[in-house]
Amino acid sequence: DSGVTQTPKHLITATGQRVTLRCSPRSGDLSVYWYQQSLDQGLQFLIQYYNGEERAKGNILERFSAQQFPDLHSELNLSSLELGDSALYFCASSPGTRTEAFFGQGTRLTVV
Amino acid sequence: DQQVKQNSPSLSVQEGRISILNCDYTNSMFDYFLWYKKYPAEGPTFLISISSIKDKNEDGRFTVFLNKSAKHLSLHIVPSQPGDSAVYFCAALRRIQGAQKLVFGQGTRLTINP
Repeated sequence: DSGVTQTPKHLITATGQRVTLRCSPRSGDLSVYWYQQSLDQGLQFLIQYYNGEERAKGNILERFSAQQFPDLHSELNLSSLELGDSALYFCASSPGTRTEAFFGQGTRLTVV
Repeated sequence: DQQVKQNSPSLSVQEGRISILNCDYTNSMFDYFLWYKKYPAEGPTFLISISSIKDKNEDGRFTVFLNKSAKHLSLHIVPSQPGDSAVYFCAALRRIQGAQKLVFGQGTRLTINP
């Protein structure tokens, strides 16, 4: 158990809909990262937050947005969903002063 | 732009032998490298890391080697055990103005045969 909690574990939704994925980082970790893993592909970095502020952005679509709240949990919002958005979405966290990121179990999103 | 590449999608090794997983990177600004292990339906688990100022780091059965001039790193697992069967991701870290961007390779599926 990495200490990073993601909910829900599985999500099935229709095209055009909007969903919110939630992540609770490890206790004390200030950084939260979001990654997308599509079928048979590597982990694609989406976005990073540090103590509530956006710090780095990767290949995140404009239909996607994220935020980190004062209690440090984070949400990834995916809107106008398309079939190609079906993937595993991972959240990871790290303390401000260390470099290893610890991953949650992921949310499997299926768009039908 | 694939900055971190794992050119072998899969590797099969006999139990007890050495497993060698390779990774190449293109960005010389990366200053820290990590290996993660991933089982199906689970998140990646941190395995071992190495700073760019070192060329080797060892932790039990796992050793990571870094060749900065060749922009290449490798993970050695000795001896390989059935429980090592998983997908291994190489990752490179770059610090950018207080943030850190962790870039992953595509992964190598390691299968340890009894």
